[in-house]
Amino acid sequence: AQSVSQHNHHVILSEAASLELGCNYSYGGTVNLFWYVQYPGQHLQLLLKYFSGDPLVKGIKGFEAEFIKSKFSFNLRKPSVQWSDTAEYFCAVNGNTDKLIFGTGTRLQVFP
Amino acid sequence: EAGVVQSPRYKIIEKKQPVAFWCNPISGHNTLYWYLQNLGQGPELLIRYENEEAVDDSQLPKDRFSAERLKGVDSTLKIQPAELGDSAVYLCASSFTGKNTEAFFGQGTRLTVV
Repeated sequence: AQSVSQHNHHVILSEAASLELGCNYSYGGTVNLFWYVQYPGQHLQLLLKYFSGDPLVKGIKGFEAEFIKSKFSFNLRKPSVQWSDTAEYFCAVNGNTDKLIFGTGTRLQVFP
Repeated sequence: EAGVVQSPRYKIIEKKQPVAFWCNPISGHNTLYWYLQNLGQGPELLIRYENEEAVDDSQLPKDRFSAERLKGVDSTLKIQPAELGDSAVYLCASSFTGKNTEAFFGQGTRLTVV
């Protein structure tokens, strides 16, 4: 069965600090990978996605993620966070079906 | 373009009462999902529709939960009777059919059972 692990439950950073959120999945076949963001009071929005091709994926608002197949990982990065990046971040995966499985989420707080 | 629309946004009911949530997906999206999100957790799939057919309802507690998507567009999720543990956010999402697609989410309905 597919599963997703996000090891950082709560991350606190100052503005301009670099960010890396971990995401590991368990599934032996071909996967599609996603990072979603949920700003306070708003709905889940797609940050970036990986289907195939270049394992380094660039998304909106300066975020990027790298798919490392050998490590079953899809970590999210941003070189310099802003206060407006305060949100909850969810990694998600689907394997050979359209069933989208989410991790438990990482709450990011950025202080000015 | 309108996104996924859900109503109501908030609902407070007493336990043992019925409750229903409505979802209107993005036009042209054949796949519709209902997810449950508990506080501090990621969304968990309850049911997935391809057009009007429920293709994955393995996580839907069928003793009290039901869902329908009669014309393959709007969908309703019902709980009867509601229990205290059903308090959560119920999310609807939609996508085009197929694997290499992304799901778009609605604002969700926050249910509080008292």
